Amino acid sequence: DIQMTQSPSSLSASVGDRVTITCRASQSITSYLNWYQQKPGKAPKLLIYAASTLQSGVPSRFSGSGSATDFTLTISNLQPEDFATYYCQQSSLTPYTFGQGTKLEIK
Amino acid sequence: EVQLVQSGGGVVQPGGCLRLSCAASGFTFEDYAMHWVRQAPGRGLEWVSLISGDGYTYYADSVKGRFTISRDNSKNSLYLQMCSLRAEDTAMYYCADAYRSSSSQYWGQGTLVTVSS
Repeated sequence: DIQMTQSPSSLSASVGDRVTITCRASQSITSYLNWYQQKPGKAPKLLIYAASTLQSGVPSRFSGSGSATDFTLTISNLQPEDFATYYCQQSSLTPYTFGQGTKLEIK
Repeated sequence: EVQLVQSGGGVVQPGGCLRLSCAASGFTFEDYAMHWVRQAPGRGLEWVSLISGDGYTYYADSVKGRFTISRDNSKNSLYLQMCSLRAEDTAMYYCADAYRSSSSQYWGQGTLVTVSS
């Protein structure tokens, strides 16, 4: 199975900051990498698919990059509603594994 | 409006069975593969299973041989039959579509499965 390793596992930041979350795959997944945001008690929300394609309706302060094994999610100009947990997921080969999550907290 | 409405969760004893359902509306269900994803209390997301529009199935190793994913395109419905349940299967279970790159843009509301004696 492909292992997905996210870092950091938690992150403190302030409104207006720029933050970067990284996700590393244990083998090449080309661009089959998705990013989700999840708030407590809610289903995940798709932010980015295919490594860098912004899902419709998602603010442009979210961006994704990377290919093969190394990927990043960048959030510019953090807004209060962005404080949540973020997950990467590979969809190259089943089982479609998720990273362990990154909890973004207010500093 | 796309909706995925889940039902069928609850409390079940270890070793028992439970069937989850997910009723889809607002899109051409038979054209889309569908996922089940779960989340144990306080833990991260875990992909469980995938079924293609024409019925090909895929499973996580942790549920293979115990869970069965199926669909009834005539009823726009997705199912997850879970047997030989273990305490570690306790989780919120979500159904979700397989969108571009098999990502999921639409999710059900989740249904809680608790395996306990």
